Amino acid sequence: DGGITQSPKYLFRKEGQNVTLSCEQNLNHDAMYWYRQDPGQGLRLIYYSQIVNDFQKGDIAEGYSVSREKKESFPLTVTSAQKNPTAFYLCASSIDRGLAGDRDTDTQYFGPGTRLTVL
Amino acid sequence: QQPVQSPQAVILREGEDAVINCSSSKALYSVHWYRQKHGEAPVFLMILLKGGEQKGHEKISASFNEKKQQSSLYLTASQLSYSGTYFCGTEGAGGTSYGKLTFGQGTILTVHP
Repeated sequence: DGGITQSPKYLFRKEGQNVTLSCEQNLNHDAMYWYRQDPGQGLRLIYYSQIVNDFQKGDIAEGYSVSREKKESFPLTVTSAQKNPTAFYLCASSIDRGLAGDRDTDTQYFGPGTRLTVL
Repeated sequence: QQPVQSPQAVILREGEDAVINCSSSKALYSVHWYRQKHGEAPVFLMILLKGGEQKGHEKISASFNEKKQQSSLYLTASQLSYSGTYFCGTEGAGGTSYGKLTFGQGTILTVHP
């Protein structure tokens, strides 16, 4: 089955620790995204990557880092510099618009999410 | 700039209709609509492109007025399964907005029997 997987589902972190959230997709999508969602809020873009070995900061990148060494994987590290990391983290992927003739394929598909809690 | 959704919450009885609006202050290329159940990932509903196209998906349809930078989601003959939080995600028309979605704060829809 094609899809996006995120692990772990729940993650607990002590203050001062770095943690890495996993995101893997087997949809052969070029673009991948990380969002943060706080209770009662919309989704805010942390980082995105449109091609392997390249990524761009989103609206709230401070305190986070990413890598894109493989097309299928886009891990997110929440560093100790992120002052308020408790949130629901969502990964998404899509076909890169420039490579797809059909604009409808720009749809972003989301993984199941990781709920991070700082103790 | 985050798009503004209205209303913030809607309560319906099964079979009633609802409209959810999404307004942006910037020129848009596309509007994406998602529904999210509590604790789950958002599920894609539809995408509307620049050009004022109206699309439909079962009893859920949407329109996009690019001149007003507004999109509306129409839910007709609501079902219990329609309950959830609805988000619009907007993609700006400028080159720097390529592929980036900015999401509204969400509209909570509750359908009662």
